[in-house]
Amino acid sequence: EAGVAQSPRYKIIEKRQSVAFWCNPISGHATLYWYQQILGQGPKLLIQFQNNGVVDDSQLPKDRFSAERLKGVDSTLKIQPAKLEDSAVYLCASSLAVRDSNTGELFFGEGSRLTVL
Amino acid sequence: GNSVTQMEGPVTLSEEAFLTINCTYTATGYPSLFWYVQYPGEGLQLLLKATKADDKGSNKGFEATYRKETTSFHLEKGSVQVSDSAVYFCALSSGYSTLTFGKGTMLLVSP
Repeated sequence: EAGVAQSPRYKIIEKRQSVAFWCNPISGHATLYWYQQILGQGPKLLIQFQNNGVVDDSQLPKDRFSAERLKGVDSTLKIQPAKLEDSAVYLCASSLAVRDSNTGELFFGEGSRLTVL
Repeated sequence: GNSVTQMEGPVTLSEEAFLTINCTYTATGYPSLFWYVQYPGEGLQLLLKATKADDKGSNKGFEATYRKETTSFHLEKGSVQVSDSAVYFCALSSGYSTLTFGKGTMLLVSP
């Protein structure tokens, strides 16, 4: 079974530039999550989708971050304009259903490491 | 709100030593508790879980018991191997909220 795919693995940009990350979840997984993991900290949820609808985006900095999952499959996370403090690993995860977040059955990709100079 | 506190690392052990990584939590309601592991160059993966008080989660020789009275979920292994070197994350979910993670604890096991 193919896992969660993310790209690019690494990205270096200058502040005020824009960047986009792509995620393809495990086939059949209805729920998709984007997490931000700053060095030395645990992952923090940015946004959660159920199919193509947003379940939770309360911690997404909406002035600069946006995410979409138009067809309920793959997803894109965009940052525009980037700030120094956005340097982090952006993790995508998927699960069969929203309820799976309580059972812990989230499957994570390898992450996209962003460095903002 | 929900929060998870883990012991700081790195934890450095020799092969076959006993491992404990402490985890305590604060949560509303009755959370489910998890340990995730991240091996070098790989994504996070679920190691074990417990969904109610006094449950013991176990996998690959690792164990953790859900202690409601001490709000703890400490990870233990009787004899670690070099291949256990990784970062370990304690996490919880409560109600319909998704996972809240601790900061992670790096484990380094030497031969």
